[in-house]
Amino acid sequence: KAGVTQTPRYLIKTRGQQVTLSCSPISGHRSVSWYQQTPGQGLQFLFEYFSETQRNKGNFPGRFSGRQFSNSRSEMNVSTLELGDSALYLCASSPGTVTGELFFGEGSRLTVL
Amino acid sequence: DAKTTQPPSMDCAEGRAANLPCNHSTISGNEYVYWYRQIHSQGPQYIIHGLKNNETNEMASLIITEDRKSSTLILPHATLRDTAVYYCIVRVPNTGNQFYFGTGTSLTVIP
Repeated sequence: KAGVTQTPRYLIKTRGQQVTLSCSPISGHRSVSWYQQTPGQGLQFLFEYFSETQRNKGNFPGRFSGRQFSNSRSEMNVSTLELGDSALYLCASSPGTVTGELFFGEGSRLTVL
Repeated sequence: DAKTTQPPSMDCAEGRAANLPCNHSTISGNEYVYWYRQIHSQGPQYIIHGLKNNETNEMASLIITEDRKSSTLILPHATLRDTAVYYCIVRVPNTGNQFYFGTGTSLTVIP
C-alpha cells in the first residue's frame, strides 16, 4: 500500500508570495491533518479535514488555509508569506476512527526569503 | 498545550532495552497515551498507544502506571536505527487528530 505523498518536497519563495502544498493520503483514509514543524516551536497542528470538511483547526492566522477533495487528497495554502513561515509542513492521514494512528508523509520544506 | 513531560535526551547502548519515561499527571480517564518517533528529516512514525492496560506490538511495549500519571515506552533491543526523537502524547477526546507533540526525548543509541 502506498504511503502518504507530499509535493513538492522542497520549495523556495519570497516574502509576500503565496504557496500551495499538496498531500495524497493512503488509499481509503478519509482524514488528512496538516502540521508545521519549526526548530523553535516544534510540531504544531494546523488543521484536519475529514470527508471534505474541516474538523479541527489549530491556532494559526487566516493566511493558512486548506481544503480536501472528494478523493481525500488535500491541499494547504499559505498566503502573504512571512519569513517565519519557513518550516517543514507535514501531512498525516488516518482512517478517521477515534483511535486511529497518524501516518505521516516526508513533508514539504518551505524556505521563505 | 502538551500535557506531558519527558526528559530532553537519553542514551542507550545498542542491544539493550531503552526505557523512555513520560509524565502525564493531569491525564483524564478517557485520554489515551500515544507514542510517536521522528527520525531526522522524516515524518513522525506511530509506535504504540494505550489507555490503561499495558500494550505490546512488534515495535515496543507501553507500560502505564495504575494511576495513569506516567508511562514508559520500552524498546526491548535498541538498534542504531532507533536513534530518534520520541514523543509522548496525551490525546484529548473529541479533538480528532489534533495531537500536541511537545518537545520529546532525543534518544541516541550508542554502538
